[in-house]
Amino acid sequence: DGGITQSPKYLFRKEGQNVTLSCEQNLNHDAMYWYRQDPGQGLRLIYYSQIVNDFQKGDIAEGYSVSREKKESFPLTVTSAQKNPTAFYLCASSIPRGGGDNEQFFGPGTRLTVL
Amino acid sequence: AQSVTQPDIHITVSEGASLELRCNYSYGATPYLFWYVQSPGQGLQLLLKYFSGDTLVQGIKGFEAEFKRSQSSFNLRKPSVHWSDAAEYFCAVGLPGYSTLTFGKGTMLLVSP
Repeated sequence: DGGITQSPKYLFRKEGQNVTLSCEQNLNHDAMYWYRQDPGQGLRLIYYSQIVNDFQKGDIAEGYSVSREKKESFPLTVTSAQKNPTAFYLCASSIPRGGGDNEQFFGPGTRLTVL
Repeated sequence: AQSVTQPDIHITVSEGASLELRCNYSYGATPYLFWYVQSPGQGLQLLLKYFSGDTLVQGIKGFEAEFKRSQSSFNLRKPSVHWSDAAEYFCAVGLPGYSTLTFGKGTMLLVSP
């Protein structure tokens, strides 16, 4: 079945440690996205990538980094510079269409807790 | 500034009653419009989308939405709510020339027996 996988479902880290969240898709989509979700805040865009080896900052990129070395993979690293890393992280992908038709498909999410 | 507003943070509906969730946007042009649903601890699932044509759009799980250009709205409706519809609902818009979506803050639907 085609879809997006995120692993692990739950992740615990000590404060000051970097942590990498995995996102893999087999939908053959060019575009991939990372969102952060906090209660009452909706979805906030962290980074997105429209093509391999290229990515752009979203609204809240500070303290995060990404790479896009393969079309199917878009890992997110939460660095120690991120002040409040505890959150629910969602990965999504889409066929990029410049006309605004950017229907996104979402993974199941990773809940990161920093202790 | 461009924005998507979901005025209701929480809504409680009795099982079997009708439902309407509101979504308003502020963009100069008619955007592409989406409604997503999220069950607790899960990812988002697309319910329906509107690009052009008939302003009443049918989606999955018995949901529909109506685009009203004059009110800049795209409200989600369901004639009879089931307990399994309890979830958070997000409205989103996409604009020509942009490769991202802008999401509203969501409306949490609670279904009472």
